[in-house]
Amino acid sequence: EVQLLESGGGSVQPGGSLRLSCAVSGFTFRAYAMSWVRQAPGKGLEWVSSIVGSGGSAYYADSVRGRFTISRDNSKNTLYLQMIGLRAEDTAIYYCAKDRSWDPMRGLDFWGQGTPVTVSS
Amino acid sequence: DIQMTQSPSSLSASVGDRVTITCRASQGISNYLAWYQQRPGKVPKLLIYGASTLQSGVPSRFSGSGSGTDFTLTISSLYPEDVATYYCQKYNTAPFTFGPGTKVDIK
Repeated sequence: EVQLLESGGGSVQPGGSLRLSCAVSGFTFRAYAMSWVRQAPGKGLEWVSSIVGSGGSAYYADSVRGRFTISRDNSKNTLYLQMIGLRAEDTAIYYCAKDRSWDPMRGLDFWGQGTPVTVSS
Repeated sequence: DIQMTQSPSSLSASVGDRVTITCRASQGISNYLAWYQQRPGKVPKLLIYGASTLQSGVPSRFSGSGSGTDFTLTISSLYPEDVATYYCQKYNTAPFTFGPGTKVDIK
């Protein structure tokens, strides 16, 4: 059974940092691209970042480029999102999601339950 | 960047109705389009990829069509459990933008 479990969310002041993690099981992690998608309260889905199966290439939304860094540890079956310079508009539920393919994006076929991030003074 | 729009933004239909949602890309994206369903309070679920390929386990009343800039998601006969917001997502190149969503409820 495919499982994705996010952690690391919480409340932080503007300008602060957080590191999200997504521990996965039930599939060959290194064989699939992974993504982070967020959803602000009452809003739609926003793609944030994706990384290829090897971790060698990553892609970012303009809204987070230069502040967020996606990475993965294939030996630990874990995906990460390092977030710095957080802003109020980064407040959202952050989902990690598995791609159908090694190379993003071919459709996100499994999603975690999400971890909430609140940026407020 | 390519912009994604959806219409309508919301709709109300009766059980058994045929429902069609449109997604439009500001530039051609071939068939690099996916559709997702997000039921209230739930995690998004992949319905369709490649504009028209049904994801495993998705009921056959869902179908997708289109290529280039114009795409549709059709529910052939609306069920109560189809109450949800539906999102399209482009994936020809990054950024892998989602559409703004279409909220479907029961009349």
